[in-house]
Amino acid sequence: QKEVEQDPGPLSVPEGAIVSLNCTYSNSAFQYFMWYRQYSRKGPELLMYTYSSGNKEDGRFTAQVDKSSKYISLFIRDSQPSDSATYLCAMTQAAGNKLTFGGGTRVLVKP
Amino acid sequence: GAVVSQHPSWVICKSGTSVKIECRSLDFQATTMFWYRQFPKQSLMLMATSNEGSKATYEQGVEKDKFLINHASLTLSTLTVTSAHPEDSSFYICSARSNRQAGNTDTQYFGPGTRLTVL
Repeated sequence: QKEVEQDPGPLSVPEGAIVSLNCTYSNSAFQYFMWYRQYSRKGPELLMYTYSSGNKEDGRFTAQVDKSSKYISLFIRDSQPSDSATYLCAMTQAAGNKLTFGGGTRVLVKP
Repeated sequence: GAVVSQHPSWVICKSGTSVKIECRSLDFQATTMFWYRQFPKQSLMLMATSNEGSKATYEQGVEKDKFLINHASLTLSTLTVTSAHPEDSSFYICSARSNRQAGNTDTQYFGPGTRLTVL
């Protein structure tokens, strides 16, 4: 069993819809949680960075962390075709330590 | 802010030659940089952790004599793939650790990647 599980998709949604992504993990020591967006043949771009349980909102993006369930989510509101990419969750036990990545979910937003 | 660059963006080389990839943090100092490898449609696989002024820490299964890492300054780390073979063809991505987040928490910013093709 992988430490971090993420549905590979693809997840196809119409433009304007809400995109809902999630990851589950098994290591209760993870404290810091991140979401990255990666376009094809590009490096990952940090979208959200959260610590501990709760919600964090930044523009069209909302990240949720539920440590009791070992479950994190990313929601993208008013999705655009430019949001089509692979979304990677990542987490670590201590700030600055090496990251453990999910496998990534490929998202397609259709105009 | 927190920009990381890589050079070259792509490289094609003959089997048996060595290739050097540079990773630079452009607007911050990075005491720690990480090197990843990514195969098509797969997630990132950490190869090694590079600390400025000390030897890199390699992940299990990664040959340190084949993938030489040097972190000579706070803004530059290099990965040299020695005696490259076709199976080394991959997308190599570096990241640099920054403590510029609010609350002094650290996170990693990634470079754009280097696509290596070994013929």
